[in-house]
Amino acid sequence: SSELTQDPAVSVALGQTVRITCQGDSLRSYYASWYQQKPGQAPVLVIYGKNNRPSGIPDRFSGSSSGNTASLTITGAQAEDEADYYCNSRDSSGNTVVFGGGTKLTVL
Amino acid sequence: QVQLQESGPGLVKPSQTLSLTCTVSGGSISSGGYYWSWIRQHPGKGLEWIGYIYYSGSTYYNPSLKSRVTISVDTSKNQFSLKLSSVTAADTAVYYCAREVRRSSSWPFDYWGQGTLVTVSS
Repeated sequence: SSELTQDPAVSVALGQTVRITCQGDSLRSYYASWYQQKPGQAPVLVIYGKNNRPSGIPDRFSGSSSGNTASLTITGAQAEDEADYYCNSRDSSGNTVVFGGGTKLTVL
Repeated sequence: QVQLQESGPGLVKPSQTLSLTCTVSGGSISSGGYYWSWIRQHPGKGLEWIGYIYYSGSTYYNPSLKSRVTISVDTSKNQFSLKLSSVTAADTAVYYCAREVRRSSSWPFDYWGQGTLVTVSS
């Protein structure tokens, strides 16, 4: 399969920890990348590889992977973390790009 | 700092061809190691990859759009372009250009344009 599956919506209480997951066969071949998108803005890369954060991304964002499932964890969620989160990878062939359907994170 | 900027008409008539250009600054498309993609987002929906081009001109397209998509590169202008033919209202979306790189056994899009809304309407 060339698809990545995400839960449509997740909520977390302010300051608590939340995990957003992404499932797909291609994740057995490649690590997922994770993006944060706020309304009216372009996506921003927050995690790539095994657990790498681009410069400027807070260390409360972390990534992990097991089998065909990748996870983005936010430890101590802040109000500004409320956004849509997307995972992506290449498909198992390595030729085409796949995105998850996105998870809307609400910080309560 | 690499920057990408989309440009092109914001309104396209049905059955016509949508044409967008992405201008890259702060880095050279010809430097290699990067894949230059077009991605779109229908209003209120998720991200949909359209296709990518390498500086050499090799391309890959989303199978669902392949018959209507052409992506080309102009290394002399440091630009790459998207053409989507026979558009319908279903092609109304925000179109992003983005740079993809192979890094740490993953394929992240590390730089994105701001996006441009293209509306298909008569």
